[in-house]
Amino acid sequence: DAGVTQSPTHLIKTRGQQVTLRCSPKSGHDTVSWYQQALGQGPQFIFQYYEEEERQRGNFPDRFSGHQFPNYSSELNVNALLLGDSALYLCASSFGPSYEQYFGPGTRLTVT
Amino acid sequence: AQRVTQPEKLLSVFKGAPVELKCNYSYSGSPELFWYVQYSRQRLQLLLRHISRESIKGFTADLNKGETSFHLKKPFAQEEDSAMYYCALRGDNAGNMLTFGGGTRLMVKP
Repeated sequence: DAGVTQSPTHLIKTRGQQVTLRCSPKSGHDTVSWYQQALGQGPQFIFQYYEEEERQRGNFPDRFSGHQFPNYSSELNVNALLLGDSALYLCASSFGPSYEQYFGPGTRLTVT
Repeated sequence: AQRVTQPEKLLSVFKGAPVELKCNYSYSGSPELFWYVQYSRQRLQLLLRHISRESIKGFTADLNKGETSFHLKKPFAQEEDSAMYYCALRGDNAGNMLTFGGGTRLMVKP
């Protein structure tokens, strides 16, 4: 089991553009959470998906949206990118919404 | 609101010295506290959780509700302990949302 996988590893976007990040959960896991980690800071919770629905959301604007597919994989979409969206985006999966979260390696997004 | 504070950005100790990584939290209910670790070029992983009350890699942490703290301790640091350490909190009504502290980089010198 490769654990949680994320793609792409890195990407560079221009201010105003839109981006989609992808996450495949660990085998057997059905819940996916997304976190944003700015440089020098701890991860910040964006939202969590379970049973293809957003179950919980952190303090992020509507520009941040997501989706969960029937195979439990997930996407994070960010519209109208700002320079401040530059960060490492982490995906974490768990077996159910209340269990231990396993983190992926992250996607490094740079907005120029 | 829930908040986690790790007052030290960097902690540098010599091999064999005791280590204490500080974590303070703010939460009105009954939280669950965790320590996560990230070794160089590796992903974030769970080190220990307060409800387990276990020692992992020689590290222990006790939840002190009176002082709202969850400090991570190890009596004798090893070079392989060098990593980023994050304290995290999950509230009793917050689903699985984790609130992380800013992290402390531990450097263990030979």
